[in-house]
Amino acid sequence: TQLLEQSPQFLSIQEGENLTVYCNSSSVFSSLQWYRQEPGEGPVLLVTVVTGGEVKKLKRLTFQFGDARKDSSLHITAAQPGDTGLYLCAGRTGTASKLTFGTGTRLQVTL
Amino acid sequence: KAGVTQTPRYLIKTRGQQVTLSCSPISGHRSVSWYQQTPGQGLQFLFEYFSETQRNKGNFPGRFSGRQFSNSRSEMNVSTLELGDSALYLCASSQDRVVEKLFFGSGTQLSVL
Repeated sequence: TQLLEQSPQFLSIQEGENLTVYCNSSSVFSSLQWYRQEPGEGPVLLVTVVTGGEVKKLKRLTFQFGDARKDSSLHITAAQPGDTGLYLCAGRTGTASKLTFGTGTRLQVTL
Repeated sequence: KAGVTQTPRYLIKTRGQQVTLSCSPISGHRSVSWYQQTPGQGLQFLFEYFSETQRNKGNFPGRFSGRQFSNSRSEMNVSTLELGDSALYLCASSQDRVVEKLFFGSGTQLSVL
C-alpha cells in the first residue's frame, strides 16, 4: 500500500508568516499534485510536478518535487486568511488512473 | 462551462439500507473517479470509469459499486449500509485518458444512522 504522510497535520499561524508543508512517501511517484480544499467543497488542483527536483511557483506558493520523486513540499510566503484550508498532496504511479492522497494538512491563517 | 455536479448534496440513511449517488461530469470529460473522504482515513479511491468501462478499483468491499452511462454521467451505489460508510463522497472528472487533471464536485455528505 502506498502511503503519503503529510506534516504537520494542523497549522495555525498569523497573517504574514511563512510556512512549509511536507509530503513524504517510501514509494516513487511518476507525478505529484497538490490540492486545496475548503469547507463544503471538493479539492481544487493547485499544481502538478513530474520531474525530480522540479520547482514550481504559483504567486506566493512554491512547490518542490524531491530528487527521488518520493517527497514534495509546499512553501507559502506571507500567508493570508484566504490561504486557509485543507492542503492535500496526491501521487500517481505510472499511468494509473488512481491517485493516492496524503493525510492532509489543515491550515488556518488568522488576522 | 458548468462544473462537476453531484446529487444529492446531503443524505441521511439508516443501517442496512442502500443508497445511490449521482455525478454529472464536466461536458466533454469521459473519465469519472469516485473518492471517499473521512476524517480518519482521508481521501480514498473507490473506482474510475472511462467510456463506460471500469478501469481501476480501490480496496473497498463489494457493497460499493458504480457505473457510467453513455453520456459520461456516473452513479455509485452502496448496499447494506454500515455506520462506517458515513463520509463525504467525491466525484471527479477528467478530460484526459491518463486522468492527469481532476476536477472535483462538491460531494455528497452521507450520514448513516
